[in-house]
Amino acid sequence: EVQLVESGGGLVQPGGSLRLSCAASGFTFSSYDINWIRQAPGKRLEWISYISSSSETIYYADSVKGRFTISRDNAKNSLSLQMSSLRVEDTAVYYCARDVCSGRSCYYDHWGQGTLVTVSS
Amino acid sequence: DFVLTQSADSLAVSLGERVTINCKSSQNILYSSDNKNYLAWYQQKPGQPPKLLFYWASTRESGVPDRFSGSGSGTDFTLTISSLQAEDVAVYYCQQCYGSPTFGQGTRVEIK
Repeated sequence: EVQLVESGGGLVQPGGSLRLSCAASGFTFSSYDINWIRQAPGKRLEWISYISSSSETIYYADSVKGRFTISRDNAKNSLSLQMSSLRVEDTAVYYCARDVCSGRSCYYDHWGQGTLVTVSS
Repeated sequence: DFVLTQSADSLAVSLGERVTINCKSSQNILYSSDNKNYLAWYQQKPGQPPKLLFYWASTRESGVPDRFSGSGSGTDFTLTISSLQAEDVAVYYCQQCYGSPTFGQGTRVEIK
């Protein structure tokens, strides 16, 4: 069974940093591109970052570019999102999601349960 | 930016009735080189992550009941539930990936 399990969320002050992790199992992690997608309270889903299977290609949404860094360790079947200079508007549930396509971010066939990040003073 | 606008924020429909959710893209998302519409539909139930229902606008994901169908092309797309069941109560999102991925605002489907 495909599983994605996020961790690392919590309460952080504006301007602070946080590192999210996503542990994958049940599939050949190194063969799949992965994304981070977030959902702020009462807001629509927002794609924020993509990393290809080999880490060769990385994309970010403009809203997080320069502040967030995506990475993966295929040997450990894990994905990370390093978040810095956090803002109140970054408050959301953060999901990692497996991509259906290869080489670009397209559709997401498996999602984790999400981890909540709250940015507040 | 590709902005997706769903026709309703919420719908209340009787059990067994037909549900139609429309999604309009601000730009064409039919890619001429492969003749595919870069649009997906997701279902999200409370406390759960989204579940992929359709991609390429009308390709049903494995395990999705056939009372669900996806259609449309270019800028206008539709998700249809032919006969609403209690377990279909959820929020439904469209999503495009022709450009940087974006989602519609969601349509909440409830039982009338």
